[in-house]
Amino acid sequence: KNEVEQSPQNLTAQEGEFITINCSYSVGISALHWLQQHPGGGIVSLFMLSSGKKKHGRLIATINIQEKHSSLHITASHPRDSAVYICAVRRRSYNTDKLIFGTGTRLQVFP
Amino acid sequence: NAGVMQNPRHLVRRRGQEARLRCSPMKGHSHVYWYRQLPEEGLKFMVYLQKENIIDESGMPKERFSAEFPKEGPSILRIQQVVRGDSAAYFCASSPQSFRGVPEKLFFGSGTQLSVL
Repeated sequence: KNEVEQSPQNLTAQEGEFITINCSYSVGISALHWLQQHPGGGIVSLFMLSSGKKKHGRLIATINIQEKHSSLHITASHPRDSAVYICAVRRRSYNTDKLIFGTGTRLQVFP
Repeated sequence: NAGVMQNPRHLVRRRGQEARLRCSPMKGHSHVYWYRQLPEEGLKFMVYLQKENIIDESGMPKERFSAEFPKEGPSILRIQQVVRGDSAAYFCASSPQSFRGVPEKLFFGSGTQLSVL
């Protein structure tokens, strides 16, 4: 079983729909990142959070440390939101932390 | 202010050849991280470097792979005697500072897609 699991793996939506992508993890972490990978391959960091909730434009990320779960929400989705969304957790190691990545959720938003 | 620059974008090598992947971090960034993304798999940490130092190479295969980040010039990920299983997208990220080996904010390059024939 992967230490970081994302669901769903694939998601299609109509423009304007509210989107939720989930991330569950099984290790102790100090922070969690949400990343966006564009069709061309480029990766952009969206959020880093260790508790509560963060909002940036139409994107909202929440995390529940006790339940080991995070969600990424997209309000009023748009075709330009089509991308792969990746969850990565920061796990303590011997003397450095490590980022462990989920396999991503592929989102397609149709007009 | 250019972002993290990786080149080449695509690299084709035959089995047994060497692959050199370059990463120029953002201006002012002295921490570089290399990640590998195999087809249908998530990103995996390979190595973390600061100028002239390898800080953590626990994700690097023991043989054929090496990385450097010289005082001047880009960081280089070198793969000797490539095999088909090395075919993957290799991403570099940089940061101005790091806490316990992981940057607070990740700035990624566009990746190098390595194809081994």
